[in-house]
Amino acid sequence: GENVEQHPSTLSVQEGDSAVIKCTYSDSASNYFPWYKQELGKRPQLIIDIRSNVGEKKDQRIAVTLNKTAKHFSLHITETQPEDSAVYFCAASKDGGFKTIFGAGTRLFVKA
Amino acid sequence: SQTIHQWPVTLVQPVGSPLSLECTVEGTSNPNLYWYRQAAGRGLQLLFYSVGIGQISSEVPQNLSASRPQDRQFILSSKKLLLSDSGFYLCAWAMGETQYFGPGTRLLVL
Repeated sequence: GENVEQHPSTLSVQEGDSAVIKCTYSDSASNYFPWYKQELGKRPQLIIDIRSNVGEKKDQRIAVTLNKTAKHFSLHITETQPEDSAVYFCAASKDGGFKTIFGAGTRLFVKA
Repeated sequence: SQTIHQWPVTLVQPVGSPLSLECTVEGTSNPNLYWYRQAAGRGLQLLFYSVGIGQISSEVPQNLSASRPQDRQFILSSKKLLLSDSGFYLCAWAMGETQYFGPGTRLLVL
């Protein structure tokens, strides 16, 4: 069945450095790729998304890239801050997002 | 704008007791609704989803069930809780591609 693999499972960076989280998906028909941030004890919240007709999207310090040929997409956070510390989930869906497949999550620690 | 509510916020239940968690959505009609479970420090496990009233699809066979008695109401139930049912239960809604999560219910089964 459909699968989304996410790496690394844990990532520790120094404040001000960049962080990169990578995901691969198995279903070539997937065409929508959201990223969620979950702070400790809170709900996952959408931070950025990308559709298959776009290769890159940026929102301030956050950017997402998509390589459809290789079936992988990545989240890039620049100039990391302690408040970026959280668990990040990638996901993939198709057919209008009826069912979304989530990655296992990456726990990001930003050290001050 | 749309909002999603879940209750209770936290729940402590003994093994073998019943369970009922409720999720309601405001500000939209005929959304897709989802129940997820998240064990401590783990990822999101899809339990059930619904595309309309009375329409429930189960992803993981277990001792849980779901119902959608009204368009914007989604209920998660169990007749007898297991220790392994402990976790963070998240309801989500979607009108298109993006899912939006509720605040969650934290369940501890002792």
